[in-house]
Amino acid sequence: EPEVTQTPSHQVTQMGQEVILRCVPISNHLYFYWYRQILGQKVEFLVSFYNNEISEKSEIFDDQFSVERPDGSNFTLKIRSTKLEDSAMYFCASRRTEQETQYFGPGTRLLVL
Amino acid sequence: RKEVEQDPGPFNVPEGATVAFNCTYSNSASQSFFWYRQDCRKEPKLLMSVYSSGNEDGRFTAQLNRASQYISLLIRDSKLSDSATYLCVVNERASGGSYIPTFGRGTSLIVHP
Repeated sequence: EPEVTQTPSHQVTQMGQEVILRCVPISNHLYFYWYRQILGQKVEFLVSFYNNEISEKSEIFDDQFSVERPDGSNFTLKIRSTKLEDSAMYFCASRRTEQETQYFGPGTRLLVL
Repeated sequence: RKEVEQDPGPFNVPEGATVAFNCTYSNSASQSFFWYRQDCRKEPKLLMSVYSSGNEDGRFTAQLNRASQYISLLIRDSKLSDSATYLCVVNERASGGSYIPTFGRGTSLIVHP
């Protein structure tokens, strides 16, 4: 069964450093998402991406964040200058249409020191 | 502000018990609804979609009440392996016109022997 994959599974970085989180959505899916979940808290929407552009973004997704789909398979989230409060689990998700189920990747656990 | 509300629990029940979770949503334009299950430090996984007529999958039954903006999940004959956090997800229309799955905080279930 096709699945969403994410790399790396864990990333430790120093405050102020740039990180890139990578995702490979399911191949026939058209809608892509990034979420984050701080330990013990709810899953929070960051950004959605469709037709090679951002369709929605939340207040969390400020100028420090960017997304790209550099080729036909990868979908990346970049954090330009990490802060301590960026420490969280970051989930990528995809779905075929806007009303169908999302499928989540296993997440990248980011720790900013 | 559009919210998806859930009782955080925890619900602590013995094996074999029946347990029900509730979820309310504030955006009356929402069109699709889901229950996800999340195990500790793992990604959310789809448990079931919720249809207007209500739907059942084995021991799990989901109901939707559009008039009251309320979704429920019933688990019969609880198993130890049902212990997890149950996430209510509502597909809400965002300001840009796209639909964004919005997560509740989740309800924690602990099934004990």
